[in-house]
Amino acid sequence: NAGVTQTPKFQVLKTGQSMTLQCAQDMNHEYMSWYRQDPGMGLRLIHYSVGAGITDQGEVPNGYNVSRSTTEDFPLRLLSAAPSQTSVYFCASSPRGGSQPQHFGDGTRLSIL
Amino acid sequence: EDQVTQSPEALRLQEGESSSLNCSYTVSGLRGLFWYRQDPGKGPEFLFTLYSAGEEKEKERLKATLTKKESFLHITAPKPEDSATYLCAVHLGSGYALNFGKGTSLLVTP
Repeated sequence: NAGVTQTPKFQVLKTGQSMTLQCAQDMNHEYMSWYRQDPGMGLRLIHYSVGAGITDQGEVPNGYNVSRSTTEDFPLRLLSAAPSQTSVYFCASSPRGGSQPQHFGDGTRLSIL
Repeated sequence: EDQVTQSPEALRLQEGESSSLNCSYTVSGLRGLFWYRQDPGKGPEFLFTLYSAGEEKEKERLKATLTKKESFLHITAPKPEDSATYLCAVHLGSGYALNFGKGTSLLVTP
């Protein structure tokens, strides 16, 4: 059982480049979310989705785009990468949001030069 | 002001030396409190959910408790393999999101 799969595991970008971080889950979970984790800070929510076709902004959405065309996939797009977006990005899913435990992937480590 | 505060930031224990980690939250309307374990280079791994004051959950050497404004993660007779960062998160109000604390980094030495 794969759970939540994130690709790539590592990526280096130049300022201004765009890219898509992939997230897929095989648990038929309705709720999916993206977080970033920076040293000395807690996980911060970027965007989330409560089902296919429905997305909403979290705490730090600027510079990121999401879409949810299927239950399984929830890609995160960086439109024009900036050094401030250097971080570790985690995708998570749960049967429903809120008071149900979220299952996390192992992250994508992104460096913007 | 942080809504979720974890203390201490870092904790070093000898193997077998029991201790507790704290998670306090400043806002009302708790719908659920979560504990996660995170190993280096990995995503958070779910440990416990607590929903109401007085509730307790146990798993091996870990026991989580909840009061009206804080939760404790008690570690009894820890082993080196318990070394990790422990994260606390709360679900507040009617939204879907979790608010995470900054974590406690635990090191257990032989």
